[in-house]
Amino acid sequence: EIVMTQSPATLSVSPGESATLSCRASQSVSTIVAWFQQKPGQAPRLLISGASTRAPGIPDRFSGSGSGTEFTLTISALQSEDSAVYYCHQYATWPPGFTFGRGTKLEIK
Amino acid sequence: QVQLVESGGGLVKPGGSLRLSCSASGFSLNYYYMGWIRQAPGKGLEWVSYLSGSSPTIYYVDSVKGRFTASRDNAKNSLFLQMDNLRVEDTATYYCVRDGDALDVWGQGTLVTVSS
Repeated sequence: EIVMTQSPATLSVSPGESATLSCRASQSVSTIVAWFQQKPGQAPRLLISGASTRAPGIPDRFSGSGSGTEFTLTISALQSEDSAVYYCHQYATWPPGFTFGRGTKLEIK
Repeated sequence: QVQLVESGGGLVKPGGSLRLSCSASGFSLNYYYMGWIRQAPGKGLEWVSYLSGSSPTIYYVDSVKGRFTASRDNAKNSLFLQMDNLRVEDTATYYCVRDGDALDVWGQGTLVTVSS
């Protein structure tokens, strides 16, 4: 099973600043990685697929990068509404051994 | 409007059964791979089952093999998860998901609580 390790576990950033969230895969997953945002009491929402492609309706403040084993989600010009838990997810393995990271909790000060 | 709506969750005793349903609207379920993902209270996301294609091959996480059965009814545009011999550790919110471009559509989730 491919393990996805996210860091940091918690991140506290001021409004208007940028946040960088990291995700490391235990083996190469090419660019078959997605990022999700989950707010309390809500279902996760797709932000990024294919490591860097924004989902429809996602602001360009959200950007993804990386390949192989190292991936990054960058959120610029942070707003209070960006407070959430962010999960990375690899969907490269078949038959499905898809796995999620444990999440990074982003707090806006 | 593209939407998934789950139902069927509730409180059940250990060893009991529940059947979750997921109704799709705004798209034809027949053309997509679909799945079930769960989230225990305060925890992260875990794949439960994945159904590929219109004549589906169905995959399960090891912890539910032999106890859960996923199925799809394309005519009703619905997905189902039959959960038998439930355990306390199955307590979670269960989400129905569409695998379009990654997991692009999620239901609102249905809570399953297994407790005596």
